[in-house]
Amino acid sequence: QSALTQPPSVSGSPGQAVTISCTGISSDVGSYARFSWYQQSPGTAPKLIIYEVTNRPSGVPDRFSGSKSGNTASLTISGLQAEDEGDYYCSSYTTNSTSWVFGGGTKLTVL
Amino acid sequence: EVQLVESGGGLVQPGRSLRLSCAASGFSLDDYAMHWVRQAPGKGLEWVSGISWNSGSIGYADSVKGRFTISRDNAENSLYLQMNSLRAEDTALYYCAKGNLAIVQGDFDYWGQGTLVTVSS
Repeated sequence: QSALTQPPSVSGSPGQAVTISCTGISSDVGSYARFSWYQQSPGTAPKLIIYEVTNRPSGVPDRFSGSKSGNTASLTISGLQAEDEGDYYCSSYTTNSTSWVFGGGTKLTVL
Repeated sequence: EVQLVESGGGLVQPGRSLRLSCAASGFSLDDYAMHWVRQAPGKGLEWVSGISWNSGSIGYADSVKGRFTISRDNAENSLYLQMNSLRAEDTALYYCAKGNLAIVQGDFDYWGQGTLVTVSS
């Protein structure tokens, strides 16, 4: 159950777009559609923003989008806003151990 | 409105036990899998355990396997985590999370606010 690999930090200016990557292996990111992204603001619980790789829950702005290619998934946030600052985590179900694994988290700073 | 309220956290000595509870409301608990996810102070998220709607499928992280036991009581709208042989590295905020499917493969669509477990002598 190795953690997925995310960059520790990314940054961008308001209005710009940023992409956060999440790299796993064939038995997690590469093999399954059960993959999600979570946003966590300081002092609050995580919030689901992308599920099943590309889907947005109701209420999540369409500025947030997800994609996957091979063993790497990506979260793109377009039209950055100050409220987007926080930590972002990817998560994948692993087919060979009946478990979930998270990435180490990426801190997004809006300059 | 979906609500998940964790309880049972606290300060406990290494080697002792603690039982966490999660009270669910605003949805039919027996339609969904449930999970425990923890976050050590200043660290990232770590999935701990998940249980399917009927307790027929259960999974654990390697770090807690053999020490923690997840269970649920759908009639009482509650999820539990029995934690035995606690270690300092189990110190974390423990979140209860609802899956978006009846099986454990679903994503975590609602989270509680967490209950803090501190393992220290």
